Amino acid sequence: GENVEQHPSTLSVQEGDSAVIKCTYSDSASNYFPWYKQELGKRPQLIIDIRSNVGEKKDQRIAVTLNKTAKHFSLHITETQPEDSAVYFCAASGSYQLTFGKGTKLSVIP
Amino acid sequence: NAGVTQTPKFRVLKTGQSMTLLCAQDMNHEYMYWYRQDPGMGLRLIHYSVGEGTTAKGEVPDGYNVSRLKKQNFLLGLESAAPSQTSVYFCASSVDGGDTQYFGPGTRLTVL
Repeated sequence: GENVEQHPSTLSVQEGDSAVIKCTYSDSASNYFPWYKQELGKRPQLIIDIRSNVGEKKDQRIAVTLNKTAKHFSLHITETQPEDSAVYFCAASGSYQLTFGKGTKLSVIP
Repeated sequence: NAGVTQTPKFRVLKTGQSMTLLCAQDMNHEYMYWYRQDPGMGLRLIHYSVGEGTTAKGEVPDGYNVSRLKKQNFLLGLESAAPSQTSVYFCASSVDGGDTQYFGPGTRLTVL
């Protein structure tokens, strides 16, 4: 089955700096890659996603890039703000389900 | 639309007790999922359903049973709770298998 590795597990940045979280996947048939943000005590919520026919997607301060050849995709957050502090999960699609990475705890230091 | 809802929000059980967690969605989604979330372990899939009347095992199914009698509901049962089942349980639903999943608010379960 699909295996998703996510790095780093924790990340601290100064407010205003950029943050990058990287994921690799194993199944070349995967074609959908969402990113979820989970604030403390809350449910995971979709923040951005990308499909295999696209190399990059942006939504204001966040962007996702996909390299299908290397089987990796990344989340980029620019001009980080304290409210970006949360746990971020990447995922890759399978036939019936998504396989999630173990998460990255991002801390933005004011 | 309420989206995905879960009941109860919190529960404390004693070892050996049983309980059922209810997930309901009003988005007419075919696929539904139950996950457990433990510190440092991410989201682990317990069971899932690809449609009304179907269920399948996920990564960590032992000690849990599920039922999907109605399309909008997905029930997770613990027949004999163990302390190792202390966790936060999330339900999710999606239109299709490898598609965006929408999560419920979670149930925090403690087994003493």
